[in-house]
Amino acid sequence: NAGVMQNPRHLVRRRGQEARLRCSPMKGHSHVYWYRQLPEEGLKFMVYLQKENIIDESGMPKERFSAEFPKEGPSILRIQQVVRGDSAAYFCASSKDRGETQYFGPGTRLLVL
Amino acid sequence: GNSVTQMEGPVTLSEEAFLTINCTYTATGYPSLFWYVQYPGEGLQLLLKATKADDKGSNKGFEATYRKETTSFHLEKGSVQVSDSAVYFCALSDGWDKLVFGAGTILRVKS
Repeated sequence: NAGVMQNPRHLVRRRGQEARLRCSPMKGHSHVYWYRQLPEEGLKFMVYLQKENIIDESGMPKERFSAEFPKEGPSILRIQQVVRGDSAAYFCASSKDRGETQYFGPGTRLLVL
Repeated sequence: GNSVTQMEGPVTLSEEAFLTINCTYTATGYPSLFWYVQYPGEGLQLLLKATKADDKGSNKGFEATYRKETTSFHLEKGSVQVSDSAVYFCALSDGWDKLVFGAGTILRVKS
């Protein structure tokens, strides 16, 4: 039973480039959550999605960040025009239903040069 | 709003010592409580959880009891091993969507 998969595991971008982070939920899970972990901090919620819908994006920065979870394929977190402050670990989690236990992927570590 | 406070680390222990990592929370309603563990360079793994007052979550020798009267969910283990060295996160969920995490506590176990 494969767990939550994220790729790439490591991503290096120069300032001004775009970063695309992908997340495939566990089999049978249709709810996806994105969290960001800044260096030496806890995880902060960013966005919660169901298939084709954004349910809660209260933790997403207002500009440059977007997320989607299409009917087919993985969930994508997109960061446009990256800045050094975007350097962090981005974790995806999935659950079978709303309010149920969230299972985390291994994360994508983004480094902006 | 909801929040979680964990004891600051790092916590350094010798092998076979007793472990306690304190966690208190502030929440409206009746949240579910979790402990996650993060090994170096990896994602978070669910360690244990409790969904209502007085529930005890346990796994791999770790235990935590949901104490509503003290709004606490302290993590304990009777005898730690070197392999338990990791970062431990306490978290709560209001049962709706987002998890709210504490800042994490680094545990270092020496042989």
